Amino acid sequence: SYVLTQPPSVSVAPGQTARITCGGINIGSESVHWYQQKPGQAPILVVYDDTDRPSGIPERFSGSNSGNTATLTITRVEAGDEADYYCQVWDSNSDQYVFGTGTKVTVL
Amino acid sequence: EVQLVQSGAEVKKPGESLKISCQGSGYSFPNYWIAWVRQMPGKGLEWMGIIYPGDSHTRYSPSFQGQVTMSVDKSASTAYLQWSSLKASDTAMYYCARRQIGPESTVNWFDTWGQGTLVTVSS
Repeated sequence: SYVLTQPPSVSVAPGQTARITCGGINIGSESVHWYQQKPGQAPILVVYDDTDRPSGIPERFSGSNSGNTATLTITRVEAGDEADYYCQVWDSNSDQYVFGTGTKVTVL
Repeated sequence: EVQLVQSGAEVKKPGESLKISCQGSGYSFPNYWIAWVRQMPGKGLEWMGIIYPGDSHTRYSPSFQGQVTMSVDKSASTAYLQWSSLKASDTAMYYCARRQIGPESTVNWFDTWGQGTLVTVSS
């Protein structure tokens, strides 16, 4: 089945930019979605269809997708952005939903 | 407001059965697929399966096929996940999530999540 690989952790200072990658074979041809999960909470959607943001999600969150890598970018990082982040695709070949391995973002 | 509200935490013994629930509100429940997602302690998200409340059509992840059963009660706007014989390895948080679909059917994501149901299986 389709595999999505994320770095286990990313550290960033407040006010700086965090970039979280999601690697998969030819992922650029897929639609990628991103979820934020804070400790003890359910995941929430922060980016869908590669680049779109649900209402209520700050513009600081943006997505891109090309080639074998999709990226979630968080600009002007705040302490409240500290969380686990997961990418997700629907694998049409197997008709399965696939989550990435997850990335823990730490704000220094 | 679209909401999914899940049933409360459960503590069970190995071999016992269990059915947890996920009630939708604020939208037309029959028209949106509901997925179940497992999160084992300290681990990532795993898709278990998905059910369409309109006709109870289901699709399971191969990893969970035969291990759990999904069902719905349309009249109660509620989806269920059940086990016939729990194992210690079923200890996890279980989330339900509503599937949303984009302009193309190949573009779909989970736009609303329940708060989670913690299942603990221990002798």
